[in-house]
Amino acid sequence: QVQLQESGPGLVKPSETLSLTCAVSGYSISRDYYWGWIRQPPGKGLEWIGSIYHSETTYYNPSLKSRVTISVDTSKNRFSLKLTSVTAADMAVYYCARARGPPPPFDPWGQGTLVTVSS
Amino acid sequence: QSALTQPASVSGSPGQSITISCTGTSSDVGGYNYVSWYQQHPGKAPKLMIYDVSIRPSGVSNRFSGSKSGNTASLTISGLQAEDEADYYCSSYSSSSTLVVFGGGTKLTVL
Repeated sequence: QVQLQESGPGLVKPSETLSLTCAVSGYSISRDYYWGWIRQPPGKGLEWIGSIYHSETTYYNPSLKSRVTISVDTSKNRFSLKLTSVTAADMAVYYCARARGPPPPFDPWGQGTLVTVSS
Repeated sequence: QSALTQPASVSGSPGQSITISCTGTSSDVGGYNYVSWYQQHPGKAPKLMIYDVSIRPSGVSNRFSGSKSGNTASLTISGLQAEDEADYYCSSYSSSSTLVVFGGGTKLTVL
């Protein structure tokens, strides 16, 4: 059974970089599938951040592309998200998930981690 | 503003059926059979309920069904149960630069 678990700081200062990791268990991240990040501001809807395939192919939401980097660490079977120059608008629950491809669906999802942006 | 349009809320009584709509454009919902639906209970991660418009993942109740007509996809839940009360989100592949788009979510209340 594939399981995903997000980890990282729950508090980031404005203008700094948000860094999160998604540990994958029950499946080798290097085998197949895309791996993605989705976020959800408090009380709001879902927003796709980006997805990665085999460490070399990445797709980013154009609205975040200039600030986002998604990478894979196959040796540790995990993938990561970096979002630079964060503002209060970046405060959200961040989810990692497995995807069949650039098209949805995302399944399964991690439990999510809340990132607060505050000084 | 979300790329896909969903009603903010729907409600129904136990045993009844409800339908949630998800309206996009020919660049997303109407152009591809890559519509998926997610159920999200408060404080929980989204759970995939339907993908590729109408396919149910293993383990999802057959009370959940999906369809599409033109630029509008729909999720129907039959035989409503109290446990179905949750937020529901649609998602689609998009040929725009934003490859993945979501709806704004629909809150289902079971009366």
